[in-house]
Amino acid sequence: AQSVTQLGSHVSVSEGALVLLRCNYSSSVPPYLFWYVQYPNQGLQLLLKYTSAATLVKGINGFEAEFKKSETSFHLTKPSAHMSDAAEYFCAVSEWNNAGKSTFGDGTTLTVKP
Amino acid sequence: GAVVSQHPSRVICKSGTSVKIECRSLDFQATTMFWYRQFPKQSLMLMATSNEGSKATYEQGVEKDKFLINHASLTLSTLTVTSAHPEDSSFYICSASSGYTEAFFGQGTRLTVV
Repeated sequence: AQSVTQLGSHVSVSEGALVLLRCNYSSSVPPYLFWYVQYPNQGLQLLLKYTSAATLVKGINGFEAEFKKSETSFHLTKPSAHMSDAAEYFCAVSEWNNAGKSTFGDGTTLTVKP
Repeated sequence: GAVVSQHPSRVICKSGTSVKIECRSLDFQATTMFWYRQFPKQSLMLMATSNEGSKATYEQGVEKDKFLINHASLTLSTLTVTSAHPEDSSFYICSASSGYTEAFFGQGTRLTVV
């Protein structure tokens, strides 16, 4: 069984400030972890993924995340927020031997203030 | 990268009619496809998993007779919402996996039943 907890359903930052979106996971087998972004009425866009290689993962649009097994965390960061980063962000976990089947967190709405 | 096309992007139908949503993997063979449902301001809920040539596996609480899933080929899966009612209005998203990597998501379909 696997689960994801995203801490903070809403996060607000100023433009240019650090973005930190938190994700903790639970998995009985080695996990694959993902961060997705969703804009209104659109599908999911993959930001980055962890698949048991490097623990620090760099993604698109300046985002990165670090897999910390001891903390069962996979927090998403971006050094400097841009207005276009305002969206819904989902953390997801899947099992390495069934990577396509994902369990999603509840999502975090990121607001970027000018 | 792998592309998954979902059609239509939006559909409005009358209560009591059926609606078919298509999910196609354009540049890879999808041995497994997943169908999710997303309510407004909520996360993605897995409805069912389909493997090519096999019956779909439905998650607990999902009515298989209402949500008919067919995965007839390695590039196409369809979701048919039968006898649709307003409570079936939602955002439906498919994803497809070759089995070796994570799943890739379609753009989603906004279903409105009037």
